[in-house]
Amino acid sequence: EAQVTQNPRYLITVTGKKLTVTCSQNMNHEYMSWYRQDPGLGLRQIYYSMNVEVTDKGDVPEGYKVSRKEKRNFPLILESPSPNQTSLYFCASSAIGTDTQYFGPGTRLTVL
Amino acid sequence: QKEVEQNSGPLSVPEGAIASLNCTYSDRGSQSFFWYRQYSGKSPELIMSIYSNGDKEDGRFTAQLNKASQYVSLLIRDSQPSDSATYLCAVNMRNTDKLIFGTGTRLQVFP
Repeated sequence: EAQVTQNPRYLITVTGKKLTVTCSQNMNHEYMSWYRQDPGLGLRQIYYSMNVEVTDKGDVPEGYKVSRKEKRNFPLILESPSPNQTSLYFCASSAIGTDTQYFGPGTRLTVL
Repeated sequence: QKEVEQNSGPLSVPEGAIASLNCTYSDRGSQSFFWYRQYSGKSPELIMSIYSNGDKEDGRFTAQLNKASQYVSLLIRDSQPSDSATYLCAVNMRNTDKLIFGTGTRLQVFP
């Protein structure tokens, strides 16, 4: 089954404790992206990647890091999480030149 | 001015009616426009894309694009309670690979 998976689905952590949210797709897509979704602000892009070792900032990259060492994986790293990073995070992927972005199920992160 | 604007709603329509959802965008050079549906607690899913002025129909859904006026709309004919969701408008900004989303319009279809 073609899918985008994210782990963990739910995470409660404390300020300053480094964490990684994993994202993996099995569709051989070149393009992968991370979004955060907040009430009243909608979906905002954090980082995206056009292919292995190619990443670029979205609209709200501060406080986040990403890497793209393999085509299928695009982890989101929070080196020192803060409460304002409490949000719902979505990973998405698509094939270059196509319309459809496939979204993962989401990761609800709470930073205390 | 926000880059992509939508009325947050809720938009309430009776079953069987036409639901009309609207979106305006700021970048006149935008080329690609999308409508996503998001059920509560779920991830967004693409339902329509449109690139040129005019209408594009897919089943009960029609997307309309007017680049001169910088708006894109989504019509849902014969609305069903299962259409109740938040509808997100998304725009590919000129010369970028970034997809900018509106905040979404919540649609409620009542029996």
